[in-house]
Amino acid sequence: NAGVTQTPKFRVLKTGQSMTLLCAQDMNHEYMYWYRQDPGMGLRLIHYSVGEGTTAKGEVPDGYNVSRLKKQNFLLGLESAAPSQTSVYFCASSPRGGANVLTFGAGSRLTVL
Amino acid sequence: DAKTTQPPSMDCAEGRAANLPCNHSTISGNEYVYWYRQIHSQGPQYIIHGLKNNETNEMASLIITEDRKSSTLILPHATLRDTAVYYCIVRAPGDNFGNEKLTFGTGTRLTIIP
Repeated sequence: NAGVTQTPKFRVLKTGQSMTLLCAQDMNHEYMYWYRQDPGMGLRLIHYSVGEGTTAKGEVPDGYNVSRLKKQNFLLGLESAAPSQTSVYFCASSPRGGANVLTFGAGSRLTVL
Repeated sequence: DAKTTQPPSMDCAEGRAANLPCNHSTISGNEYVYWYRQIHSQGPQYIIHGLKNNETNEMASLIITEDRKSSTLILPHATLRDTAVYYCIVRAPGDNFGNEKLTFGTGTRLTIIP
């Protein structure tokens, strides 16, 4: 099992460019999440999804859009990248109900110049 | 979700037990205590969780006070590979999303000293 896979692992963008981060999980989990991690800030939730076709805002959603067209994939989009979006992005998934333990991906490091 | 308070950093000698405290004085009756850790720049890794009883698994033990306002994660025989940032989170399990933020705080940076 691959678990949670994030693509790409590294990316450098210029201000104003757009890009999409892909998160794929093979555990048949209902819930998926996108976090960002900045130095000294811990992990902050951007958006999450409780099932295919549904998304919801987290703590810091501005400047990002998400889509969950397939249960196994959760896409994070930046329509017009800004330097403030330079960060490490982590995707996670968890099963419905039960202990709701999160499984995280390895992270995607994004730099916006 | 209830807020947690952890010391920013701790050291522990290799081979000793590492005891990481967490305060969660506003925890609700249906909220569990979860512990994760993040080694270097990898994705966080689940360690253990519990409601009111003490829990133990192959990685660690979790001790929750009777009033549930604080807990301690115990790594019984710390190794250099346990050097990481440890996060304590409290939240309700299952489908209870509501307005929860699922935010990980800044955690405790544990350094294992050879």
